[in-house]
Amino acid sequence: DAKTTQPNSMESNEEEPVHLPCNHSTISGTDYIHWYRQLPSQGPEYVIHGLTSNVNNRMASLAIAEDRKSSTLILHRATLRDAAVYYCILRGPTSGTYKYIFGTGTRLKVLA
Amino acid sequence: AAGVIQSPRHLIKEKRETATLKCYPIPRHDTVYWYQQGPGQDPQFLISFYEKMQSDKGSIPDRFSAQQFSDYHSELNMSSLELGDSALYFCASSPPGGYNTEAFFGQGTRLTVV
Repeated sequence: DAKTTQPNSMESNEEEPVHLPCNHSTISGTDYIHWYRQLPSQGPEYVIHGLTSNVNNRMASLAIAEDRKSSTLILHRATLRDAAVYYCILRGPTSGTYKYIFGTGTRLKVLA
Repeated sequence: AAGVIQSPRHLIKEKRETATLKCYPIPRHDTVYWYQQGPGQDPQFLISFYEKMQSDKGSIPDRFSAQQFSDYHSELNMSSLELGDSALYFCASSPPGGYNTEAFFGQGTRLTVV
């Protein structure tokens, strides 16, 4: 299975942008990069996903490096509600079929 | 919009008992996944079903079994429960579309084994 590496924890001030990095140096050309987050005592929640191009949605932006060996999830204005564990997950033929494998994500703390 | 429904939300069982967790995926989703999350741990993949057939298997103990029924709901059966089985169990479903789809997770069933 292709692996991802994320920092264990990060802190951000409220209303400031947050850049959450993910390294996936063994990614293949057909693996999608997915991001999920998990708020305390809740099920994981989809945030965004992409293949090669940068992606934007109402929750966040996903910036994918040109060589695809890393990506960055961008929260444009962090709120207290964004405090969660963020998981970067590869999904594709070389990352282990269709299942979503959660590694050790990044625990984001948002300071008021 | 309809979400993934799990029942029950909370379950308390004694050691060596049996538990059945149910999952109702979002309509027209063709894949169901089960995850186990112990205290302070990340979600661990257990098993998945694609169109009612088992499609992938993770670190699911032999004491556990699962199936998906004709109406697409899924059940996770856990026998000879152990204290270490106490965890949050999540079910998720995803629509057709291969790798370019997202999964939607339920709120989970909190199983406590005493």
